[in-house]
Amino acid sequence: DGGITQSPKYLFRKEGQNVTLSCEQNLNHDAMYWYRQDPGQGLRLIYYSQIVNDFQKGDIAEGYSVSREKKESFPLTVTSAQKNPTAFYLCASSLSSSGNTIYFGEGSWLTVV
Amino acid sequence: ELKVEQNPLFLSMQEEKNYTIYCNYSTTSDRLYWYRQDPGKSLESLFVLLSNGAVKQEGRLMASLDTKARLSTLHITAAVHDLSATYFCAVGLQGAQKLVFGQGTRLTINP
Repeated sequence: DGGITQSPKYLFRKEGQNVTLSCEQNLNHDAMYWYRQDPGQGLRLIYYSQIVNDFQKGDIAEGYSVSREKKESFPLTVTSAQKNPTAFYLCASSLSSSGNTIYFGEGSWLTVV
Repeated sequence: ELKVEQNPLFLSMQEEKNYTIYCNYSTTSDRLYWYRQDPGKSLESLFVLLSNGAVKQEGRLMASLDTKARLSTLHITAAVHDLSATYFCAVGLQGAQKLVFGQGTRLTINP
């Protein structure tokens, strides 16, 4: 089946550790995105990529890093520099043209312990 | 800076009643999306609105867009319990790929 796969679904991290969230899509979409959602809040954009080997910072990029080495994959690393990383992380993708539906993965819950 | 505001943020209503969620945005946009989110789940795409006057309907939900007023509405007709969820609008900045989301409207439909 076509779709967006995020892993892990639940992740616990100790303070001071980096963690990488995986996002893979088989929809042949050019654009991919990472959003963060805090409880009871809307989504905020962390990073997005419109093409392989290129990505742009979103509104809350500090403490995060990404790579886009393959069209299908857009992993997000939450670094120790991110002061409040506990949140629900959503990966999304779309065809590159404006106006296309943006589809979301199932999300990853990250908790810092 | 593009700002998106939804109202109300919380809505409790009875089955079979009608209601409207409003989404206002601050700058020119070329697309507007409505999403549904169930607790602890991801976002499900409901509608994509691309032009002034666009209206789309799916079941008991109908969305419309007025680009001149920078306003979109999501109308719920004869609500049923299964429509209980949080609804988000998201607006695309003209010429850019990214979306800015509203705060969400938590809808609870009581029997």
